[in-house]
Amino acid sequence: NAGVMQNPRHLVRRRGQEARLRCSPMKGHSHVYWYRQLPEEGLKFMVYLQKENIIDESGMPKERFSAEFPKEGPSILRIQQVVRGDSAAYFCASSPRTGGESDTQYFGPGTRLTVL
Amino acid sequence: DAKTTQPPSMDCAEGRAANLPCNHSTISGNEYVYWYRQIHSQGPQYIIHGLKNNETNEMASLIITEDRKSSTLILPHATLRDTAVYYCIVRVASSGGSNYKLTFGKGTLLTVNP
Repeated sequence: NAGVMQNPRHLVRRRGQEARLRCSPMKGHSHVYWYRQLPEEGLKFMVYLQKENIIDESGMPKERFSAEFPKEGPSILRIQQVVRGDSAAYFCASSPRTGGESDTQYFGPGTRLTVL
Repeated sequence: DAKTTQPPSMDCAEGRAANLPCNHSTISGNEYVYWYRQIHSQGPQYIIHGLKNNETNEMASLIITEDRKSSTLILPHATLRDTAVYYCIVRVASSGGSNYKLTFGKGTLLTVNP
């Protein structure tokens, strides 16, 4: 049973370019969460999505960041016009549903974004 | 969600039991205790969770005190591969609200020594 998959694992961008991070949830999971881990810091919640819906994006920076989880295909975290401060590890997690014990979140291996 | 307090670091000898404490004195009756770990440069790995009763799975045991104000994660036979940062998180496991936001503190860096 494949776990949460993220790609690419490492991404290098120059300032001003766009970064696209992909997340495929575990089979049977319809809830996706994105977290960011800045160097030497803990993970911080960014956004929670269900298929075709953004449920909570309260942790997303107001500008340049967007996320989607289309009906078909992986969830995408998109960062436009990247800056050096966006350099971080971005982790995706998925759960079968929210509410109750069965909403345990399982994390992917992360995408390490480096902005030059 | 209730806040948690963990020691910043611990050492354990390989093959011995590792006992990682967590204080959560403000935990509410409907909040679960979850444990994750993060091995260097990897994604957080779910370990175990519990509400009131002690829990055991193939990875670890979770002992929750009767008043639920603290808990201990036990790795019965630590190996070098268990060296990681261990996070204790409390969260409401019910629908509604924003209980889905996991709040990661600084955790405990467990170093297993040969």
